[in-house]
Amino acid sequence: GAVVSQHPSRVICKSGTSVKIECRSLDFQATTMFWYRQFPKKSLMLMATSNEGSKATYEQGVEKDKFLINHASLTLSTLTVTSAHPEDSSFYICSARGASGRVSPYNEQFFGPGTRLTVL
Amino acid sequence: LAKTTQPISMDSYEGQEVNITCSHNNIATNDYITWYQQFPSQGPRFIIQGYKTKVTNEVASLFIPADRKSSTLSLPRVSLSDTAVYYCLVGDGRNAGNMLTFGGGTRLMVKP
Repeated sequence: GAVVSQHPSRVICKSGTSVKIECRSLDFQATTMFWYRQFPKKSLMLMATSNEGSKATYEQGVEKDKFLINHASLTLSTLTVTSAHPEDSSFYICSARGASGRVSPYNEQFFGPGTRLTVL
Repeated sequence: LAKTTQPISMDSYEGQEVNITCSHNNIATNDYITWYQQFPSQGPRFIIQGYKTKVTNEVASLFIPADRKSSTLSLPRVSLSDTAVYYCLVGDGRNAGNMLTFGGGTRLMVKP
């Protein structure tokens, strides 16, 4: 149980285009979803936190107009990288957390497999 | 948020026990300690969580001293497949809190 999927797993796009990444909780309702970015050999950096039905909370330094997050349902959150540039190339990882205690007694985050974005 | 400090890297050999220590000097009363494992190009995977003393599950043990200013993840008899990055996170996870800040992690290399 507690599986999170991401789609696509890998995407290559041209500079200036927009890319949408989906994050789904497959067997539980995710009250909160998180989006991270990870550069090679670096740690995960939290980009934003989203709760179903409300606006995402972005971390300092993350442009909310560039990284659009939509958490339309309890099982789906999307991250859209708008007008992508080569410096946006990274590994994007989402995680989901269910209602406390219902999915995990540890209230842990369940991570998706990640999406490798390459902007040419 | 309690900041964590871990060794950047560690080497070990198959069959050995590996202990990775994490320092979190400003841990708060409500904070729990959670460890995640990450393989290249994959999302992190939960390993173990604890609050104090010792916690053991099927894959690891977590030792937390009385002052809780550090914790040690113990991996018994590692294999090549345990080569990964291990992250220690500290936060009030039980209350949907803020266990969201990843430190640098420890890159474990298991050699044959």
